[in-house]
Amino acid sequence: EAQVTQNPRYLITVTGKKLTVTCSQNMNHEYMSWYRQDPGLGLRQIYYSMNVEVTDKGDVPEGYKVSRKEKRNFPLILESPSPNQTSLYFCATRVTGYIGYGYTFGSGTRLTVV
Amino acid sequence: AQSVTQLDSQVPVFEEAPVELRCNYSSSVSVYLFWYVQYPNQGLQLLLKYLSGSTLVESINGFEAEFNKSQTSFHLRKPSVHISDTAEYFCAVSVGTGNQFYFGTGTSLTVIP
Repeated sequence: EAQVTQNPRYLITVTGKKLTVTCSQNMNHEYMSWYRQDPGLGLRQIYYSMNVEVTDKGDVPEGYKVSRKEKRNFPLILESPSPNQTSLYFCATRVTGYIGYGYTFGSGTRLTVV
Repeated sequence: AQSVTQLDSQVPVFEEAPVELRCNYSSSVSVYLFWYVQYPNQGLQLLLKYLSGSTLVESINGFEAEFNKSQTSFHLRKPSVHISDTAEYFCAVSVGTGNQFYFGTGTSLTVIP
């Protein structure tokens, strides 16, 4: 079954404690992306990756890091989380070059930073 | 930059009544248009899309959307809603080669029994 797997689903952490949210896909998609979803703001792109070792900033990259060492994995790293990073995070993937397939989304990670 | 406007943040509607969720975008060049649905505690799922051709597109669960180039709109409609349609709906636009999607802020549809 084609899927995008995010872990963990829920995470509560304290300010300043480094954390990583993992994302893995089994569809061999080149393009992977991270979004955060906040009430009234919709989805905003944090980072995206066109392929292995190729990453670029989205609209709200501050406070986040990503890496793309393998095609299937695209972890999101918060080196020093702050309360304003409390949000619902989605990983999404798609085929590069043909937009028609749209995105496949993971189930989300709800992060609370206290 | 591209912008996507969903004017209605919340839409309550009675069961079996019709509904329209509005979406407008800013680009005047070629666009690809999408509607995604997010059920409670789930990720987003593609509901329908417009790439080219017929301006009216349909989903398997009775929703339809019409691409109107002159009004830069892609409104979502359903003639008779069901309780199970209660969800958040997001309009999204991609331009050109589509390296990035632009999402609207979402419309929360609540179907009232």
